[in-house]
Amino acid sequence: GAVVSQHPSRVICKSGTSVKIECRSLDFQATTMFWYRQFPKQSLMLMATSNEGSKATYEQGVEKDKFLINHASLTLSTLTVTSAHPEDSSFYICSARAVGGKKETQYFGPGTRLLVL
Amino acid sequence: GQNIDQPTEMTATEGAIVQINCTYQTSGFNGLFWYQQHAGEAPTFLSYNVLDGLEEKGRFSSFLSRSKGYSYLLLKELQMKDSASYLCAVMDSNYQLIWGAGTKLIIKP
Repeated sequence: GAVVSQHPSRVICKSGTSVKIECRSLDFQATTMFWYRQFPKQSLMLMATSNEGSKATYEQGVEKDKFLINHASLTLSTLTVTSAHPEDSSFYICSARAVGGKKETQYFGPGTRLLVL
Repeated sequence: GQNIDQPTEMTATEGAIVQINCTYQTSGFNGLFWYQQHAGEAPTFLSYNVLDGLEEKGRFSSFLSRSKGYSYLLLKELQMKDSASYLCAVMDSNYQLIWGAGTKLIIKP
């Protein structure tokens, strides 16, 4: 149990276009979902925390108008990279915390690799 | 500030034992995690320590000393498939994960 999926797994887009990444909890409901970004050979960096039905909380230095997060249901959160540029190329990973679950438990998705040309 | 330190890279021999160390300084502590990450994949959970001591799980063990801000991951009977990056992460007082940069483990035959 406790499976998190991400779609797409990889995407290539042209500079200036927008890309939407979906994060779904398949067999549980998630009160909170986290979005991370990982550049090659670097640590995971938390971008934002989203709670179902409310606005996402962004980490310092992350542009909320560029990285739009929507957590419309207890099983789906989306991250939209607007007007993507080559420097946005990265590995984007989501994780989810289950309703009623322990705060220290996060279930990770398989990640989405974004390449902006 | 918050800081997680672990070696960048380690090399070990198949069948041997390797210990990966992690030291941390965070605002609050709600547990320390070890994750394994193969190239191009998301991290997968290995262990969670919130109390001092050693947690053993098959070939992998994890140790925590909260007073020293120190943990290690011990891998025994190394196999080639253990070649990966090992990430140390601490959950702070806000239940957010603070990640180390990872230790790339290279296993040689």
